[in-house]
Amino acid sequence: GQQVMQIPQYQHVQEGEDFTTYCNSSTTLSNIQWYKQRPGGHPVFLIQLVKSGEVKKQKRLTFQFGEAKKNSSLHITATQTTDVGTYFCAAHMRFGAGTRLTVKP
Amino acid sequence: GAVVSQHPSWVICKSGTSVKIECRSLDFQATTMFWYRQFPKQSLMLMATSNEGSKATYEQGVEKDKFLINHASLTLSTLTVTSAHPEDSSFYICSASVAEYEQYFGPGTRLTVT
Repeated sequence: GQQVMQIPQYQHVQEGEDFTTYCNSSTTLSNIQWYKQRPGGHPVFLIQLVKSGEVKKQKRLTFQFGEAKKNSSLHITATQTTDVGTYFCAAHMRFGAGTRLTVKP
Repeated sequence: GAVVSQHPSWVICKSGTSVKIECRSLDFQATTMFWYRQFPKQSLMLMATSNEGSKATYEQGVEKDKFLINHASLTLSTLTVTSAHPEDSSFYICSASVAEYEQYFGPGTRLTVT
């Protein structure tokens, strides 16, 4: 099945810094989902993007879907320690490799 | 809403034995459930799609005779790992779709085969 490539694999930031993770596909996606998995926990659905060029916000989180619907990003503004975890994008039930975010207080 | 449970949360079994993992949607009916496998610090790998009342659809490379899936009702899917071996040790997570592509995950089952 189609795959989504996700980068970076790891990101360590100082609390208050911004964070971005990117997903790319070689094929056009009908939609893309984002999940967060806390250490020791299970993935939790964050959002789904469907429309070309779509931008959605959830408090400090901004999700974008590219115009060509081949890439997507998740941006966190002013990270907090509660943001720690692994962020996954997923398309058609297949997950990207995930970006593990650690935040130094 | 959209709560998915899994049982057991962890299990240790001896090599050669079989283990059954249950996945239940508690407050909704799920015609489709998904089974994933996750190794430490790695992503989720889709193993199979479980459809109520029909045979599961397995991903390429997943042995259907080893990982038996039964979706007997709209709220229950089971995964049985048959003749388990140490390499089957992993974190198994199920999910159920509420809306198209929107999945809610169970808490996972950590299987250790000794």
